[in-house]
Amino acid sequence: EPEVTQTPSHQVTQMGQEVILRCVPISNHLYFYWYRQILGQKVEFLVSFYNNEISEKSEIFDDQFSVERPDGSNFTLKIRSTKLEDSAMYFCASRSYNSPLHFGNGTRLTVT
Amino acid sequence: GQQLNQSPQSMFIQEGEDVSMNCTSSSIFNTWLWYKQDPGEGPVLLIALYKAGELTSNGRLTAQFGITRKDSFLNISASIPSDVGIYFCAGQLNDYKLSFGAGTTVTVRA
Repeated sequence: EPEVTQTPSHQVTQMGQEVILRCVPISNHLYFYWYRQILGQKVEFLVSFYNNEISEKSEIFDDQFSVERPDGSNFTLKIRSTKLEDSAMYFCASRSYNSPLHFGNGTRLTVT
Repeated sequence: GQQLNQSPQSMFIQEGEDVSMNCTSSSIFNTWLWYKQDPGEGPVLLIALYKAGELTSNGRLTAQFGITRKDSFLNISASIPSDVGIYFCAGQLNDYKLSFGAGTTVTVRA
């Protein structure tokens, strides 16, 4: 069964550094998402992306965050200057029209 | 964003018992979904519900989309050790955003 794949599985970075989290959504999917989950908490919506533009974003997704679909297969989340509170699991998800969301296994981001 | 209240927060159950959890919201959703998350992994879809009143089964799992569109429940029958994990409800109103409940942690005693 096709999967959403995310790399790396674990990223450690220093505060203030830029990170890029990478995702390869399922190939025929049209809608792409990033969610995050702080340890022990619920999954929180960050941003959705459709037709090469952001369709909706949460208040968490401030100017430090950006997303890009640089080619036909990758979908990336960039955090420009990481803060300690950015430490979390980041999940990429995708879906096609009228189908439910499928999640990747996440990237654990640790900011030190 | 929409607030989902999921209960119970956690439960300890005996193997073989039935499990029930539910989600309520102050606002309506067009789709309700139930996911399971194992440690270190992403949420995996269990059941999707698309119509108010819909009752859907997937093996030992049964879920219903409440008639008011503001609630949903998930039942697991005859629980087994691999049912351990965190179960999340999620509501979807439009094409773009899924809102999650806080999760129900299920621990099965053998």
